[in-house]
Amino acid sequence: EAQVTQNPRYLITVTGKKLTVTCSQNMNHEYMSWYRQDPGLGLRQIYYSMNVEVTDKGDVPEGYKVSRKEKRNFPLILESPSPNQTSLYFCASSLSRGGYGYTFGSGTRLTVV
Amino acid sequence: AQKVTQAQTEISVVEKEDVTLDCVYETRDTTYYLFWYKQPPSGELVFLIRRNSFDEQNEISGRYSWNFQKSTSSFNFTITASQVVDSAVYFCALSDTGNQFYFGTGTSLTVIP
Repeated sequence: EAQVTQNPRYLITVTGKKLTVTCSQNMNHEYMSWYRQDPGLGLRQIYYSMNVEVTDKGDVPEGYKVSRKEKRNFPLILESPSPNQTSLYFCASSLSRGGYGYTFGSGTRLTVV
Repeated sequence: AQKVTQAQTEISVVEKEDVTLDCVYETRDTTYYLFWYKQPPSGELVFLIRRNSFDEQNEISGRYSWNFQKSTSSFNFTITASQVVDSAVYFCALSDTGNQFYFGTGTSLTVIP
């Protein structure tokens, strides 16, 4: 089944403790992206990647890191999480840039206390 | 700059009523793509439709229909004979020829039995 797999689904952590949210897609998509969803703000892009070793900042990159060492994987790293990073996170992939539309992962609900 | 506006934050309708969700977009590109996504209470994001800027034909899929009008920069979504299962947050999105997706802030639809 074609899908984007995110783990974990739920995560509660403490301020400053490094964490990684994994994302993997099995569709051989070139384009991958991370979003965060907050009430009243919709989805905001954190980082995106057009291909292996090519990443770029989205609208809200501060406090996050990403890497794209393999085409299928695009982990999101929070080196020192803070409470304002409490949010619902989505990984997404697309065949290419622009108009193909995204396939989204199931989401990761992160709480930083 | 690209922008998507969903002015309706929350809508409630009684089951079997028709409901229209509004989406207005801004872009300077002549080539762009418009999307609707559904986010049910379980939280995942489900792709509903994609429309490119050169195709102004309205589309109907079962109880769902979409009205794309370039003259008013609108891409409205109508659910006919609404059902409780239609209760969800619906996002309109715009993708240009660059690398970005622009989401609206979403409309939360509640269908009352």
